[in-house]
Amino acid sequence: AQSVSQHNHHVILSEAASLELGCNYSYGGTVNLFWYVQYPGQHLQLLLKYFSGDPLVKGIKGFEAEFIKSKFSFNLRKPSVQWSDTAEYFCAVNARTTTGNQFYFGTGTSLTVIP
Amino acid sequence: DAGVTQSPTHLIKTRGQQVTLRCSPKSGHDTVSWYQQALGQGPQFIFQYYEEEERQRGNFPDRFSGHQFPNYSSELNVNALLLGDSALYLCASSLRRGDYGYTFGSGTRLTVV
Repeated sequence: AQSVSQHNHHVILSEAASLELGCNYSYGGTVNLFWYVQYPGQHLQLLLKYFSGDPLVKGIKGFEAEFIKSKFSFNLRKPSVQWSDTAEYFCAVNARTTTGNQFYFGTGTSLTVIP
Repeated sequence: DAGVTQSPTHLIKTRGQQVTLRCSPKSGHDTVSWYQQALGQGPQFIFQYYEEEERQRGNFPDRFSGHQFPNYSSELNVNALLLGDSALYLCASSLRRGDYGYTFGSGTRLTVV
């Protein structure tokens, strides 16, 4: 069965610190990879996505992620976090089948940035 | 504005009751998916509707059912509510043959007491 693992459940950083959130997935077929962010009280928003091509993808708000196929990983990074980055971050895998597609989400990483 | 509208935003029900949640997809989207997000967890896929039929289903019991209307809007019905059904229910819309772009609604917070 497909699964997505986020190993960091809660991360606390000071402003300007660098961020890296881990994401590993298990799925034998072709996948598309995503990172979503959920700010307190708000809906899930897409940060970035990887379909194919350059394994280093850039998203909104200075976030980037690197797809390493051999490691089944898609880690999220940001060189310098801001207080406004405090949120829940979800890694997701989209597996397309003959009948449609669905997302598999990780359990999320709660990021708290201290001013 | 998320583009996907869900109603109601909050709901409190008693065990054993039935509930209906509603979702209007983003304009131009034809596929609706429902997810359950329990506290401290990632969203779990319930099912997906396209052309008014359930196309895929996650690991949820038959108490969870749905419907899609000709205008692509959708309902999620849960019968015989359990305390464990308390969660945030998310609706996401997409294009069946699109670029996998999902747009999520803000969700309905269901509390079962």
